[in-house]
Order: sequence, then structure tokens, then C-alpha cells
Amino acid sequence: GAGVSQSPSNKVTEKGKDVELRCDPISGHTALYWYRQSLGQGLEFLIYFQGNSAPDKSGLPSDRFSAERTGGSVSTLTIQRTQQEDSAVYLCASSDRGLKETQYFGPGTRLLVL
Amino acid sequence: GESVGLHLPTLSVQEGDNSIINCAYSNSASDYFIWYKQESGKGPQFIIDIRSNMDKRQGQRVTVLLNKTVKHLSLQIAATQPGDSAVYFCAENDSGGSNYKLTFGKGTLLTVNP
Repeated sequence: GAGVSQSPSNKVTEKGKDVELRCDPISGHTALYWYRQSLGQGLEFLIYFQGNSAPDKSGLPSDRFSAERTGGSVSTLTIQRTQQEDSAVYLCASSDRGLKETQYFGPGTRLLVL
Repeated sequence: GESVGLHLPTLSVQEGDNSIINCAYSNSASDYFIWYKQESGKGPQFIIDIRSNMDKRQGQRVTVLLNKTVKHLSLQIAATQPGDSAVYFCAENDSGGSNYKLTFGKGTLLTVNP
């Protein structure tokens, strides 16, 4: 079946602009995660959605970052007033019910802020 | 093994040899561990996981070993193939804490020479 998809695959923007990154999880997966991966680094947890529960936003690095998940499916990560240090790969993952289920990752969105 | 520096640890092996990738974790309360493989331009792909009540688990051509005494995890790949070339990440979770957050290591770059 279809895996996790993300769009756009690449995004180049100017400093100060807002960007929206989209994630389509695997159908039926109730848990959705956003991570950030900087060059040569591991994955940094950003935010977690589980069903209708309030999301865990504890990993968001600043108030310029926000995320929504509409209808328990598609999620959008928004970065306002982008900075050069926001340049990274933003990865989305989904799983069935939660951590004890395997997280399946999308291909990521490569964001470059000039 | 894992490094806190900006440069990825690297492992270079000949095709057909066995590979061993190491990971040291710091949280003695972690009780769930996963290995992911990330090829260039793609998202991480689940390889194998292990829970803390086990010290060894085998998959297809891969074996994960867990030594809780020294907080060490390793991934063994048998008969390494060029397609195994990728960055390998270990991830850990403490189910007594936020049971959905994975902490990722910075990764090891495996290069398989034909």
C-alpha cells in the first residue's frame, strides 16, 4: 500500500518568508510525528499527534513553528518568518496507535532558507 | 559508533564481509531500541527493533545485540551488499517517560566497496 508522502520534496525560500510543509500519513495510522534532521545530524523530535488527543508540541524550537492535523489524517507544519538556521530536512512519520508500533517515515522535505 | 561531533562516524567494508555498527546510549531507563537505515535522499527505513527483556534478536541478514550493562547496542549485517550502503541510526525510548518519543543517535555512514 501507499507509504507516508510529503510535499514539497524541496523548498527554497527567502529569509523572513513563511513556509508550509505537508504530510500524508499511511491510511488508518492514528499517530503522526514530525522530526527535523540537520546536515550530518540525527533526528530531532518536533511534535506528535495521537488521534484526537492534544498534540505534544514540546519539541518545537520556537513559536515560529506550528503544526496542525486535520481530520486525524493530513498534517501541515508551518514555519513563520523563516531563518537560515531553519534549513534542514523535515521528516514526517506515522504509526498505528503509538510508539510501540513501528514508525514509518516519509521521504522528507528539504528546506533551504536563503 | 555514535559521535557527538558534526562528522558522521564511517565504516567502510568490502562486499561480502560482515558489518558491525555500534551505538552507545545514555538513558539507563530506555527499554526499547530500533535501528533505522537511511539512504541518500530518502527517509529512515525501519530495520529491526529489540526490547530490553532481550539481548539478541535476528532478522533477515541482520542481528541486533543489546548490552544493558554497558548501555551498548550493535547492528550486525551479514554478507554486506552494495545496497546496504546508507546511514544507520539507532533510536531509544523510555516507555516510563513519554512513551512515544524516540531519541536518535547521529548515525553511522556505511560504505560497501564492490
